Amino acid sequence: DGGITQSPKYLFRKEGQNVTLSCEQNLNHDAMYWYRQDPGQGLRLIYYSQIVNDFQKGDIAEGYSVSREKKESFPLTVTSAQKNPTAFYLCASSMGMGNSPLHFGNGTRLTVT
Amino acid sequence: GQQVMQIPQYQHVQEGEDFTTYCNSSTTLSNIQWYKQRPGGHPVFLIQLVKSGEVKKQKRLTFQFGEAKKNSSLHITATQTTDVGTYFCAWGISSGSARQLTFGSGTQLTVLP
Repeated sequence: DGGITQSPKYLFRKEGQNVTLSCEQNLNHDAMYWYRQDPGQGLRLIYYSQIVNDFQKGDIAEGYSVSREKKESFPLTVTSAQKNPTAFYLCASSMGMGNSPLHFGNGTRLTVT
Repeated sequence: GQQVMQIPQYQHVQEGEDFTTYCNSSTTLSNIQWYKQRPGGHPVFLIQLVKSGEVKKQKRLTFQFGEAKKNSSLHITATQTTDVGTYFCAWGISSGSARQLTFGSGTQLTVLP
């Protein structure tokens, strides 16, 4: 089955630690995205990547970093500079960056205390 | 800048009643997509509307795109408990050579049995 795998499902970290969230897709999609969702709110774009070795900041990139060394993988690092890191993080992919629908992973719920 | 409002934020209906959520934009949209997110789950693509005045149906769901391409709606006829979740509209905005997908704040639907 093709899809997007995010791991782990739940992640707990102490304040001041960096943490990396994994996202792998086997849909052969060119574009990948990271969104953040806070309780009762919509999705806000953190970073996106159209092709390997290229990525762009979204609306709320501060305190986050990404890499796109392989087409299948788009890991997100939540750094200690992110002031409110506790949230639900969703990775998505699409065929292209035009009007293609997004396919989402199951998400990672990060709690920082 | 472009502003899209999604209303209502919450809707409680009795099973069997109809439900509608709206997205209203201050500017013309090139297209609009609709997603459903079940509680604890991830958004799932439902449909994309591109043409002015377009109407699409999926069983009990009816999607409309306004004549001026500034408004869109999702209507569910005779709701069932399986319809519970949050419904998001999403639209593309140009950013350099790419088009980012921006999500509305969502309408959370509760269906009372």
